[in-house]
Amino acid sequence: GENVEQHPSTLSVQEGDSAVIKCTYSDSASNYFPWYKQELGKGPQLIIDIRSNVGEKKDQRIAVTLNKTAKHFSLHITETQPEDSAVYFCAASKAGGYQKVTFGTGTKLQVIP
Amino acid sequence: SAVISQKPSRDICQRGTSLTIQCQVDSQVTMMFWYRQQPGQSLTLIATANQGSEATYESGFVIDKFPISRPNLTFSTLTVSNMSPEDSSIYLCSVDRPSGKGGNIQYFGAGTRLSVL
Repeated sequence: GENVEQHPSTLSVQEGDSAVIKCTYSDSASNYFPWYKQELGKGPQLIIDIRSNVGEKKDQRIAVTLNKTAKHFSLHITETQPEDSAVYFCAASKAGGYQKVTFGTGTKLQVIP
Repeated sequence: SAVISQKPSRDICQRGTSLTIQCQVDSQVTMMFWYRQQPGQSLTLIATANQGSEATYESGFVIDKFPISRPNLTFSTLTVSNMSPEDSSIYLCSVDRPSGKGGNIQYFGAGTRLSVL
């Protein structure tokens, strides 16, 4: 089955700096890669996603890059703000109907004001 | 999108007792999912619940320990039976929706934070 590894497990940045979280996956058939943000006391919420036919996607201050050959993808947050502090999970699945989603181990991001 | 309500939001239980967690979705869905999130760890799928059929459990999870009901297309319950301190976790209900780009987006409830003494 799919295995998703995520690094780092914790990340502290100064407000205004950039944060990068990296994930690798094992199943070359995976082709859909969402990122979730989990704030304290809440369930995970989708913040951005990318399909394997796209190398990069950007939405305001967040961007995701995908290297299908190397089987790794990354989340980039620029101009970080205190409200970006949360746990971030990457995930991988296959497209088409319901496919099991495999989550990474999570990164706890702390943005220091 | 989907709005998911989970009850209770948290509970403290005694060893050996059982707790039933309720999940209500704002629209009809075919499949509902139950996840466990142990402290500081990732999300692990417990089972998939389809209305009108037995739930499908992932490796390491059994029906006797985590019985699931799915009486209609908007509601499901997960029971954590004969609890031990190792069952202390966050339990999350989830549904999915097509992303429109291939792949499905998972929507989660706020979770039930369970502590077993």
